Amino acid sequence: GDSVTQMEGPVTLSEEAFLTINCTYTATGYPSLFWYVQYPGEGLQLLLKATKADDKGSNKGFEATYRKETTSFHLEKGSVQVSDSAVYFCALSDIGGATNKLIFGTGTLLAVQP
Amino acid sequence: DAGVTQSPTHLIKTRGQQVTLRCSPKSGHDTVSWYQQALGQGPQFIFQYYEEEERQRGNFPDRFSGHQFPNYSSELNVNALLLGDSALYLCASSVLGIEYGYTFGSGTRLTVV
Repeated sequence: GDSVTQMEGPVTLSEEAFLTINCTYTATGYPSLFWYVQYPGEGLQLLLKATKADDKGSNKGFEATYRKETTSFHLEKGSVQVSDSAVYFCALSDIGGATNKLIFGTGTLLAVQP
Repeated sequence: DAGVTQSPTHLIKTRGQQVTLRCSPKSGHDTVSWYQQALGQGPQFIFQYYEEEERQRGNFPDRFSGHQFPNYSSELNVNALLLGDSALYLCASSVLGIEYGYTFGSGTRLTVV
């Protein structure tokens, strides 16, 4: 079945450092891809999305490009802030089912130090 | 505009008991999905409800059941609780067919002792 693999954390960076969180996926079709963020004690918030190959999703300085040839959707940010500390989840929509349910990776904890 | 509201926020139950979790979807949304997030893991799809019917179910036993009401709110019921059911239960609402329109609630933290 479809699946998502994320790099394990935690990822610890200093403020203003460059961030990359790797995400690869396995899918039989061409799903939409997402990054969600979860701040402590909160639910999931959609950070960005890409719905087809070569699409670039972006939001709040974060970017990710849908790479069909490498089945990847890596999250990047040029300069992280302390407020970016959270857990980041890569996800895909399961287009083979009845509901387009989301399939998530295990999450990557990002800790940004001042 | 209120987003997705879940209640209660925290709950402690004993093995073998039954629990009911509640979700009110975002205004304008007609579909409710439930996810289980174990500690240190990503959310796992439990099931989705639309028009008071279960549309799809994930790999969860029949101890997990749900219901959707005419006002689109939903309940998740878990019978015969196991220690392994301890998790954060997330409700996500959406408009049917719009896959990137999910809005998640803050979740109910269930602890089974």
